[in-house]
Amino acid sequence: DAKTTQPNSMESNEEEPVHLPCNHSTISGTDYIHWYRQLPSQGPEYVIHGLTSNVNNRMASLAIAEDRKSSTLILHRATLRDAAVYYCILRDFDTGGFKTIFGAGTRLFVKA
Amino acid sequence: DVKVTQSSRYLVKRTGEKVFLECVQDMDHENMFWYRQDPGLGLRLIYFSYDVKMKEKGDIPEGYSVSREKKERFSLILESASTNQTSMYLCASSSPGQMNTEAFFGQGTRLTVV
Repeated sequence: DAKTTQPNSMESNEEEPVHLPCNHSTISGTDYIHWYRQLPSQGPEYVIHGLTSNVNNRMASLAIAEDRKSSTLILHRATLRDAAVYYCILRDFDTGGFKTIFGAGTRLFVKA
Repeated sequence: DVKVTQSSRYLVKRTGEKVFLECVQDMDHENMFWYRQDPGLGLRLIYFSYDVKMKEKGDIPEGYSVSREKKERFSLILESASTNQTSMYLCASSSPGQMNTEAFFGQGTRLTVV
């Protein structure tokens, strides 16, 4: 299975942008890059995903390196509600099904 | 609103008991998953299912079994609970066949085995 590497924790000030990095050097050509986040006492929730091109949605942006070996989740203006654990995940194409592999994630602290 | 519902938020069981964790989704998803989450280890996949009556082992299936008799329901079974199975258990579901679909998670069941 493909693996991802993320920093254990990061800190940001409220209203400032946050860039959360993820390395996935063993990514294969058919792997999608997904990001989820987990708020305290809740199950993970979907944030964004992409394959090769950068992606934007109402929650965040995803910047994918040209060689696809790394990606960055961008929160444009961090709020206190964004304090969570963020998971970078690759969809590992084995039998054609969906299997999400979660690592330890990055715990984001947001200071007021 | 889409929903994945786990039957209990908190559960306390004794060592050796048979434990059933139930998960129901209302999105008509083919794929369903069971994970456990432990501090410092992230989420680890226990079992998953792509269809009714189908199941496949994840990364840590030992000590667990699953049942998928109906499309909307995926049950995790601890045949004989042990203290090392004390953990947060998360159920998820997703649409079939596409790698670009998101997974929806339940709120989790915190199981304590004493």
